Amino acid sequence: EIVLTQSPGTLSLSPGERATLSCRASQSVSSSYLAWYQQKPGQAPRLLIYGASSRATGIPDRFSGSGSGTDFTLTISRLEPEDFAVYYCQQYGTSPWTFGQGTKVEIK
Amino acid sequence: QVQLQQSGPGLVKPSQTLSLTCAISGDSVSSNSAAWNWIRQSPSRGLEWLGRTYYRSKWYNEYAVSVKSRITINPDTSKNQFSLQLNSVTPEDTAVYYCARSAPRYFDLWGRGTLVTVSS
Repeated sequence: EIVLTQSPGTLSLSPGERATLSCRASQSVSSSYLAWYQQKPGQAPRLLIYGASSRATGIPDRFSGSGSGTDFTLTISRLEPEDFAVYYCQQYGTSPWTFGQGTKVEIK
Repeated sequence: QVQLQQSGPGLVKPSQTLSLTCAISGDSVSSNSAAWNWIRQSPSRGLEWLGRTYYRSKWYNEYAVSVKSRITINPDTSKNQFSLQLNSVTPEDTAVYYCARSAPRYFDLWGRGTLVTVSS
């Protein structure tokens, strides 16, 4: 199965700053079938990005995704207070679908 | 508005069967463009996809290798829902269990989650 490794484990930033999250796959993710999710405490994950770079319905344009092959990035251009959460990447190119271990974005 | 409503017990004894149901509103379990999944989350294993059921002229099921010998996911078209059964549970199966829709393969809709604890 494809193992996804996210870095850093924790990102300490202030509101208004830019966040850059990395997701590296153990093998190439076919057709850029890579998604990003946001999870807040006590809630289910919420889809942000699919197809590596397409925003899901209702997701603000400060969220953007990029990458291909084995290296993918989620960028939050200017952090809003509601963006402090845990972010997960997920590949859906090769079964079984797998998730990264998460990056926590916390308030500095 | 599409919603997934989970139900089932929060406590299961070791060696017994974990059973959860996910009721769908606003979509159909028989949809030709969606699949219906179970995912769990625990501190030790993170987010783990368990399996899915979907209809493409006939019913298909697909399961993760880690649970393949113990899991069954069934659609119920009469009630527009699907279920999870996980047999022979151990404390390692303690987790928050989510049902989720994938359309096509990323998870665009999630249930609220059910904490299932395996303990005597």
